[in-house]
Amino acid sequence: DAKTTQPTSMDCAEGRAANLPCNHSTISGNEYVYWYRQIHSQGPQYIIHGLKNNETNEMASLIITEDRKSSTLILPHATLRDTAVYYCIVRVGAGNTPLVFGKGTRLSVIA
Amino acid sequence: DVKVTQSSRYLVKRTGEKVFLECVQDMDHENMFWYRQDPGLGLRLIYFSYDVKMKEKGDIPEGYSVSREKKERFSLILESASTNQTSMYLCASGLAGVMGGETQYFGPGTRLLVL
Repeated sequence: DAKTTQPTSMDCAEGRAANLPCNHSTISGNEYVYWYRQIHSQGPQYIIHGLKNNETNEMASLIITEDRKSSTLILPHATLRDTAVYYCIVRVGAGNTPLVFGKGTRLSVIA
Repeated sequence: DVKVTQSSRYLVKRTGEKVFLECVQDMDHENMFWYRQDPGLGLRLIYFSYDVKMKEKGDIPEGYSVSREKKERFSLILESASTNQTSMYLCASGLAGVMGGETQYFGPGTRLLVL
């Protein structure tokens, strides 16, 4: 079972920041937080991941609370092409540990 | 950029046929994975492989087998296709790593319809 809780759906106005929350209250010290997204009829796309520090890349920022029990993915200027299902995943260990996907958050960016 | 390719985007097969789904990655990744995705059930892991000729069962391996003869290629085999195997099949690959934090990269998916 997925170890994360996310809202089922969210709306965001185009050009505004989209803030997607994720709760992972049982996260272990060696588990990373990953975010993927899936645009309709495509394979999941990696966005960002972090352990305990905040992270930023060209796609998004990841804010992890100090107790690591929750995190927020921020898309700074959402566009219509960001409409997708966003998955927050916690995962331990090396790369041969499979990803466990929950139901994710369906983000709709509205013009 | 990492590239994971799958042999077909769409496939239609008949019940009882043997079906091969091919996945190829070009980044020399040790690990490869097969998932299926169904409405309301999300992504579920079928099999994965962390080395050539090695395989591990995932959550739903029944009715499937896999083959990894070369590092870059991971094949999913439906020995005798059934209608309940109609689904979207997704392949992924990633580095082995030992420190954690490695990512997985997904192919575009194969939408299989079994009649």
